[in-house]
Amino acid sequence: AQKITQTQPGMFVQEKEAVTLDCTYDTSDQSYGLFWYKQPSSGEMIFLIYQGSYDEQNATEGRYSLNFQKARKSANLVISASQLGDSAMYFCAMRERGNQFYFGTGTSLTVIP
Amino acid sequence: DVKVTQSSRYLVKRTGEKVFLECVQDMDHENMFWYRQDPGLGLRLIYFSYDVKMKEKGDIPEGYSVSREKKERFSLILESASTNQTSMYLCASTPDSGRAPRQFFGPGTRLTVL
Repeated sequence: AQKITQTQPGMFVQEKEAVTLDCTYDTSDQSYGLFWYKQPSSGEMIFLIYQGSYDEQNATEGRYSLNFQKARKSANLVISASQLGDSAMYFCAMRERGNQFYFGTGTSLTVIP
Repeated sequence: DVKVTQSSRYLVKRTGEKVFLECVQDMDHENMFWYRQDPGLGLRLIYFSYDVKMKEKGDIPEGYSVSREKKERFSLILESASTNQTSMYLCASTPDSGRAPRQFFGPGTRLTVL
């Protein structure tokens, strides 16, 4: 079974609108971490946001928020007020015990002017 | 500012050549990783190392080896490059613990094998 599933290969959003990128995960660990990274066409992986499994509140970082639903094992990324510079690949990742990291296949986001 | 550097951004090699990809981090991290990234497949783990001279195979180790003689440096070696190893290679490091023990990535190396 896939550890991280991103079901949206490509997404489009109008500039200034909000967009949600989906991510579900699979783990039997009680302690784990969830991450989102952005990868522009330059190839660098830019860390966006982190959610720990014991964190009760959803993580927020500026225009990014993580909608964490533990029972459903989902960790969706919400980008508010989209900008043209948000066009990129977005990866969801999970860290389990033992320094194991797992990545999804990514979602390509295009922001339309 | 923390930093992970990779020896080349772009590399072109010929089939059968031995290829070295170097990765250096300045954060004193225990763990280092090598991934390859191909369209539609996300990041796939080749090898990781949790200490000097220690290594573990990832999901796709075939055709690759690694070396970690010093804590800050993790090398990926393609013993005999093949065209199906044309890819983007990403190095990452992470500490054992911390508030948000995320991976820090290098800029990537786009390798083309002709």
